[in-house]
Amino acid sequence: QVQLVQSGAEVKKPGASVKVSCKASGYTFTGYYMHWVRQAPGQGLEWMGRINPNSGGTNYAQKFQGRVTMTRDTSISTAYMELSRLRSDDTAVYYCASLDLRSGVDYWGQGTLVTVSS
Amino acid sequence: AIRMTQSPSSLSASTGDRVTITCRASQGISSYLAWYQQKPGKAPKLLIYAASTLQSGVPSRFSGSGSGTDFTLTISCLQSEDFATYYCQQYYSYPRTFGPGTKVDIK
Repeated sequence: QVQLVQSGAEVKKPGASVKVSCKASGYTFTGYYMHWVRQAPGQGLEWMGRINPNSGGTNYAQKFQGRVTMTRDTSISTAYMELSRLRSDDTAVYYCASLDLRSGVDYWGQGTLVTVSS
Repeated sequence: AIRMTQSPSSLSASTGDRVTITCRASQGISSYLAWYQQKPGKAPKLLIYAASTLQSGVPSRFSGSGSGTDFTLTISCLQSEDFATYYCQQYYSYPRTFGPGTKVDIK
């Protein structure tokens, strides 16, 4: 069956970087864009960006431009999201999601809690 | 960026009620709108895409309508498992933006 398995929870200090992985199985990894969405505690969903697993092309939300980097390794069907210069308000659950909303495809990871605290 | 708004932000309802949630886009998005359901501690679940197309496996009590800037999600007969938070998302352009959510809880 389709699975997106994310890496485990992280605790980081302000100013550090975090890299979250998302391993796909059960479908063609290069078939759909991989999106990253985050959710701060008690808050709504925030779209961060997406990567085309085929080409590696990316679109980032302007809010994260310069701080976020999305990459992929097609040989192991894994996508990565790295966020740098972390602040306390980056504390959130980060989700990867393989989406093609034009055809109703949505596969989500289980989420990765990133806590930024001194 | 296209701004998405939802109303109400929360509502209390009883099992069996008909519930309607509204989503508005700051500019026209044709029918490029999705609705998600999210329960605490879980990833969002796609309910509807293309404004009115029911995702496979989603109960028929859920329906969506609208195009352009104004959209609605209707739950025709609320069930206990429907108490959750609902988000709309536009996929007309980047950045993909979500509405702030509507929490549906038990009256």
